[in-house]
Amino acid sequence: GQQVMQIPQYQHVQEGEDFTTYCNSSTTLSNIQWYKQRPGGHPVFLIQLVKSGEVKKQKRLTFQFGEAKKNSSLHITATQTTDVGTYFCAGLAGTYKYIFGTGTRLKVLA
Amino acid sequence: NAGVTQTPKFQVLKTGQSMTLQCAQDMNHNSMYWYRQDPGMGLRLIYYSASEGTTDKGEVPNGYNVSRLNKREFSLRLESAAPSQTSVYFCASSELAGGNQPQHFGDGTRLSIL
Repeated sequence: GQQVMQIPQYQHVQEGEDFTTYCNSSTTLSNIQWYKQRPGGHPVFLIQLVKSGEVKKQKRLTFQFGEAKKNSSLHITATQTTDVGTYFCAGLAGTYKYIFGTGTRLKVLA
Repeated sequence: NAGVTQTPKFQVLKTGQSMTLQCAQDMNHNSMYWYRQDPGMGLRLIYYSASEGTTDKGEVPNGYNVSRLNKREFSLRLESAAPSQTSVYFCASSELAGGNQPQHFGDGTRLSIL
């Protein structure tokens, strides 16, 4: 079946360092969403990408959707302790179903 | 405005017991979803309801049933709980199914089956 993989599974960074997580799908996606889940919390929607090659920015976060619409990335510049959590991508598979990636757990060391 | 409310927050069951997880949203959303989250596996879709009156299977429907009681409420039932169903269960809703719609999640139900 369709799979969405994320790498790395874990990432520890020093506060102020950059962080990137990559999302790869086995099939072409209609769109991709990114979510953040704080420890013990629930996923919270961050952003959605729809167009091939699309790049969107939210303050220190930069999101990209690949040209082939099979991969995506999230880059955080100058991480802060508030960035701690697990970041998930979710690709639209078919009309209604989103397939979530395995997630990247980010730990920021002060 | 509570968003998506799940009950209970925690539950411990014995193997073979049955249980219904409740979910309600107050955002007038059309679509609702049930996911389970296991360590290292992300969120997996169990069932979804694109609109009131419809339900469809997701990736891992075996062992579960759902009911879309009305536009606000979407329940998940475990008829005969098994240890493999120990997980965190999240309910979510979106204004419309699929497309360009963010999903809003509840706080989750942490379920342990002994």
